[in-house]
Amino acid sequence: GDSVTQMEGPVTLSEEAFLTINCTYTATGYPSLFWYVQYPGEGLQLLLKATKADDKGSNKGFEATYRKETTSFHLEKGSVQVSDSAVYFCALSDGGTASKLTFGTGTRLQVTL
Amino acid sequence: EAQVTQNPRYLITVTGKKLTVTCSQNMNHEYMSWYRQDPGLGLRQIYYSMNVEVTDKGDVPEGYKVSRKEKRNFPLILESPSPNQTSLYFCASSPAQGRQPGRQYFGPGTRLTVL
Repeated sequence: GDSVTQMEGPVTLSEEAFLTINCTYTATGYPSLFWYVQYPGEGLQLLLKATKADDKGSNKGFEATYRKETTSFHLEKGSVQVSDSAVYFCALSDGGTASKLTFGTGTRLQVTL
Repeated sequence: EAQVTQNPRYLITVTGKKLTVTCSQNMNHEYMSWYRQDPGLGLRQIYYSMNVEVTDKGDVPEGYKVSRKEKRNFPLILESPSPNQTSLYFCASSPAQGRQPGRQYFGPGTRLTVL
């Protein structure tokens, strides 16, 4: 079945540092890939997405590129802020069962001054 | 404002006492889903519904029931809760397949503790 693997957290960075959160996936066919973010005490919200190979999703300074050859969708940001502290989930949708999402385990990011 | 609402936000109960967590969306979405979030396991789907009166099991349906009598509501029912159902629960909705594949709108979560 489909699966998503994320790097273990927590990740602790100083403000303005570069961020990478690794995500790899296993799926049949051509899934769509997503990053969702969960701020403290809130539900998940979509951060960015990519629907086909070599697509780059971007939002709020975050980027991720759909790499079919390495089955990866790593999240990057050039300069993190304290307000980016949250849990980040990589997810895929195989387009089969409606909008079913398969999530990774989540990576907690803590940004300090 | 487009949103998914859940009630209650926090609930402490005892083993075996039936409970219902409500979920409502105001976006006229066809698809609704329930997830549980546990440390180290991410989000796992419990049940989903493609439309009114159409529901199906997700990855971890044991011990849960759902119903979809109206398009906007999708309650989660625990007939006889047990301590292993202590978790953070999220309801989500999305438009029908094809319009926004994989794009789901999440509620704020319900933290359930079963003693």
